[in-house]
Amino acid sequence: AQKVTQAQTEISVVEKEDVTLDCVYETRDTTYYLFWYKQPPSGELVFLIRRNSFDEQNEISGRYSWNFQKSTSSFNFTITASQVVDSAVYFCALSEPGGSYIPTFGRGTSLIVHP
Amino acid sequence: DTAVSQTPKYLVTQMGNDKSIKCEQNLGHDTMYWYKQDSKKFLKIMFSYNNKELIINETVPNRFSPKSPDKAHLNLHINSLELGDSAVYFCASSQNFELEESTDTQYFGPGTRLTVL
Repeated sequence: AQKVTQAQTEISVVEKEDVTLDCVYETRDTTYYLFWYKQPPSGELVFLIRRNSFDEQNEISGRYSWNFQKSTSSFNFTITASQVVDSAVYFCALSEPGGSYIPTFGRGTSLIVHP
Repeated sequence: DTAVSQTPKYLVTQMGNDKSIKCEQNLGHDTMYWYKQDSKKFLKIMFSYNNKELIINETVPNRFSPKSPDKAHLNLHINSLELGDSAVYFCASSQNFELEESTDTQYFGPGTRLTVL
């Protein structure tokens, strides 16, 4: 069975600090996709990134970066120089076998960035 | 222009009633989805439609019936509402069901907060 664990329930940082959100997954499949979603206090869901299991190259998008390591079954998300607008709940997810947008979600990590 | 829209944004109703939530996307996507987020923020996929055909139904009670009149719309009808149906329901769309295109992404509607009294 597939499983996604986000062990950090809540993280609190001060603006400009770097912060890493952990995501550990379990799957027996060799082909799968990993996702990160953001849910700000306003409630909407925002798709951030998708990574397939064959691509372990790290991804950087502005202040956001993702570290995918198959050896540890982790897909961690780092925000550099955090800002108050980064305050949100972040969800990691794992797709079903075959690769589709049918994910198993983690329970989410609430990130609070203080000014 | 709103990419994925849902109506209504809030829905308060009595147990036992029947209600519908509408979703429309103007992105020309082939695939649409319904997700449920419960009071503890847990997210779960409910349905996916690809080109007006149901792709998956994740053991959702048959009181929930998705209806897709065309590729741009995926409505969710709920019969005999129960207290446990109270949640936020998100509609989403993507170009493809299979994640073959590296540039493909997923777009979400603003959510519909359903409260069953």
